[in-house]
Amino acid sequence: QKEVEQNSGPLSVPEGAIASLNCTYSDRGSQSFFWYRQYSGKSPELIMFIYSNGDKEDGRFTAQLNKASQYVSLLIRDSQPSDSATYLCAVGLISGGGADGLTFGKGTHLIIQP
Amino acid sequence: DAGITQSPRHKVTETGTPVTLRCHQTENHRYMYWYRQDPGHGLRLIHYSYGVKDTDKGEVSDGYSVSRSKTEDFLLTLESATSSQTSVYFCAISSTDTQYFGPGTRLTVL
Repeated sequence: QKEVEQNSGPLSVPEGAIASLNCTYSDRGSQSFFWYRQYSGKSPELIMFIYSNGDKEDGRFTAQLNKASQYVSLLIRDSQPSDSATYLCAVGLISGGGADGLTFGKGTHLIIQP
Repeated sequence: DAGITQSPRHKVTETGTPVTLRCHQTENHRYMYWYRQDPGHGLRLIHYSYGVKDTDKGEVSDGYSVSRSKTEDFLLTLESATSSQTSVYFCAISSTDTQYFGPGTRLTVL
């Protein structure tokens, strides 16, 4: 049974600070890792994907992957109230869009306090 | 939004009735997926398709069937809806790097 674990939160962060979201996964064969953001009542939207160990930066977002520890994280710099949402971690067994589907965590609810 | 539409967007039905949800894509992607999202469970894969008439089961496939007769359409059918199938259903397509989601269908089974 593939599992993806996230702290459900809520995680409260002051505006302008760094928000750190964490995720662990159980299947060592996992090859692709994704972070989605989901606003209440909306569909998940992709923030970042990462395939290789290390850091990947895109604007205010940095994804970090450590396959040895089976750990993936998302850092949001200069947090804004509009970043308040639920963040979903997802894992796939192959690189790319996850041909046989992705396994999702339950999500972390992030609140940015003005 | 990757050209994905879902219909209907909202539906209320009664236990025991058949229900079909439709996912339509405009970008000719090979892979399509149906997920359901419930509080406390997150997104769970129901079925997926890797081509016309090629489908496979996901984690929570019991009580659901799917069909894909055209590349652009992926149908999810609840043969006899139950209250436990009350959920939000998301269709997704797989692009080069990730999956993109449709707007969702909120289904309530009374």
